[in-house]
Amino acid sequence: QKEVEQNSGPLSVPEGAIASLNCTYSDRGSQSFFWYRQYSGKSPELIMFIYSNGDKEDGRFTAQLNKASQYVSLLIRDSQPSDSATYLCAVTANAGKSTFGDGTTLTVKP
Amino acid sequence: GAVVSQHPSWVICKSGTSVKIECRSLDFQATTMFWYRQFPKQSLMLMATSNEGSKATYEQGVEKDKFLINHASLTLSTLTVTSAHPEDSSFYICSASDRLYEQFFGPGTRLTVL
Repeated sequence: QKEVEQNSGPLSVPEGAIASLNCTYSDRGSQSFFWYRQYSGKSPELIMFIYSNGDKEDGRFTAQLNKASQYVSLLIRDSQPSDSATYLCAVTANAGKSTFGDGTTLTVKP
Repeated sequence: GAVVSQHPSWVICKSGTSVKIECRSLDFQATTMFWYRQFPKQSLMLMATSNEGSKATYEQGVEKDKFLINHASLTLSTLTVTSAHPEDSSFYICSASDRLYEQFFGPGTRLTVL
């Protein structure tokens, strides 16, 4: 079992819809959770981070964390074609080293 | 967000030569820097973790004598691929981390070994 698991996709949603990306992790000691976006041929860029259980909203993005279920998700509202990318979930424990999932490829169709 | 630069952005070299890649955090002091490699359509693979003034910690399967990492200051880390071969061709990405564990990625270096 991988330490951080994501649905590989591809996930396809129509423009304006909500895209839901999911991530599960195995280390119960994990404390920090990140979502990165990576466009093809580019390096990842940080979208959101979340440390506490519950929801965290930033514009069209909402991160949700449930430590009991070892689950973190990213919702993208009003999806745009420019949101088409690979989304990486990263989980960090005390040592500060992040473990990345393999990523979910999202395609938003106009 | 913080800015991390990487140089060069791309390099083509002959087999057997060495290539040095620089990673700089431009507007903050990074407690830790990470080096990743990414092959086409694959996820990031962590190669090593680098802390200023100490030896890098390499992931299992990564040859420390082939991938030399120097972390000279809180803003600069270098990765040298020694005696590069075609199978080393990849996208090398560094990141710098602050104390909150957020990682800020450099733009990456695309290495092609002929």
